[in-house]
Parts: sequence; C-alpha cells; structure tokens
Amino acid sequence: QVQLQQWGAGLLKPSETLSLTCAVYGGSFSGYYWSWIRQPPGKGLEWIGEINHSGSTNYNPSLKSRVTISVDTSKNQFSLKLSSVTAADTAVYYCARVKFGDTRAPSGLYYYYYMDVWGKGTTVTVSS
Amino acid sequence: QSVLTQPPSVSAAPGQKVTISCSGSSSNIGNNYVSWYQQLPGTAPKLLIYDNNKRPSGIPDRFSGSKSGTSATLGITGLQTGDEADYYCGTWDSSLSAGRGVFGTGTKVTVL
Repeated sequence: QVQLQQWGAGLLKPSETLSLTCAVYGGSFSGYYWSWIRQPPGKGLEWIGEINHSGSTNYNPSLKSRVTISVDTSKNQFSLKLSSVTAADTAVYYCARVKFGDTRAPSGLYYYYYMDVWGKGTTVTVSS
Repeated sequence: QSVLTQPPSVSAAPGQKVTISCSGSSSNIGNNYVSWYQQLPGTAPKLLIYDNNKRPSGIPDRFSGSKSGTSATLGITGLQTGDEADYYCGTWDSSLSAGRGVFGTGTKVTVL
C-alpha cells in the first residue's frame, strides 16, 4: 500500500522560499506523475504542478515563474520550491500520486488524470 | 481561479439523494475524463470517482459519477451523516500550450 510522507518548514517570512519534500513508500516511483496541490484557509484546491520519474514537469501558469519541482529517484522523493512567498501563499500543501495518460477513442484523444494517493498535508504560514 | 464550476452547497436529509454538478468546457471536461474527491473536515482529499464513473476499491456504490458534454455529476444515494464533507471535481485542461490539472470550486454537502 503506497503511502506519502511529507515535511518542510511551516512558518516563513515574506520573500523567503518555501521548501517541501514528499517521500513515497510501498510502491513504484516510476510510471506515475507526482504532484503538489495547495489549499488556502477556507478555500478550494489549487493545482501547483507535477513531475514524473524522468524529471518531466508541468506547472500551473499562474505560479510557474516561482515554482520548481524536482525528483530524487534514488530516494523515491520529490520536492517543491516556491520562491518569493507572500501571505497569499499561506495554505495547506499536499503531495499526491497522479495517474495520467491518454486513450484514443473514435471521437479523439482523451486524457485521464486523477490523484489516487495523497499525503496528509503540511500547513505553511507566511507572516512577518 | 477555478475553471470548473460547482454549486457552493447542497443538502438533504439522511437516506436521501444529492447530486453535485461540475461545469467546464471543451478543453477540460468535454474532452477528458473527470474525477471526484471527498474532503472530510481537517483531512486530505480522497479519491471517490475516476475516469468519469469508476470507483476505487473500498468506495461504496452509493457514490456514482457521470458525464455529459462539458458537465459532470456526482451522485450520493442513501445519504449518511458521515458524508458531510466538501466535494471537488477534477480533470486535465488542455487549453494552454502546456496542459494543467484543474479542480472545481468545491461543494459542501450538509446532511440535515
């Protein structure tokens, strides 16, 4: 049974860099994408980005200039860095395993995309 | 700035049925598969439905999903107090040169 364990600094000052890591236990690291999602207090889910075992990434365009997601396959870990944080980056940050691929139907190409395993979340607060 | 729209809240009495809609466009729901997540208070989201209408192992058949055009629907029958949670739809959006994952605005289910 796959489990994700995440950790990182929970309190940052404005302009600092957020850094979180997620370790994958009990399953294969390859063949999936590994994503980061965040949830500001009282608000909905926001997709941050993802990476696969080969290091191929996709980022949310609204965060792309500040986000770096990296992978360490030797440790089955992936990490998130978000630079120049502000109070607006205060949120619970989740890591998740993603099943992502495409299937071809008579009507065209369809993507399947879902997060089937989630970490417990890390609360990150940005305050001076 | 969610690209998928859900009603803020729905409610029903125990044992009744609720449906939650998720409205998108041809660049997301219209041409890709939809998933649904349940988020109980203070916990991480949990996958309920994937590929429009499939349930992971352990998810009761009280939960169902469907898709038509650019909208998707989650149904919950035999509503229980333990179903009180926030529910989110999700999919892949292909509108930009590089696609992205997207979630709905979220719906709070209240059991009266």
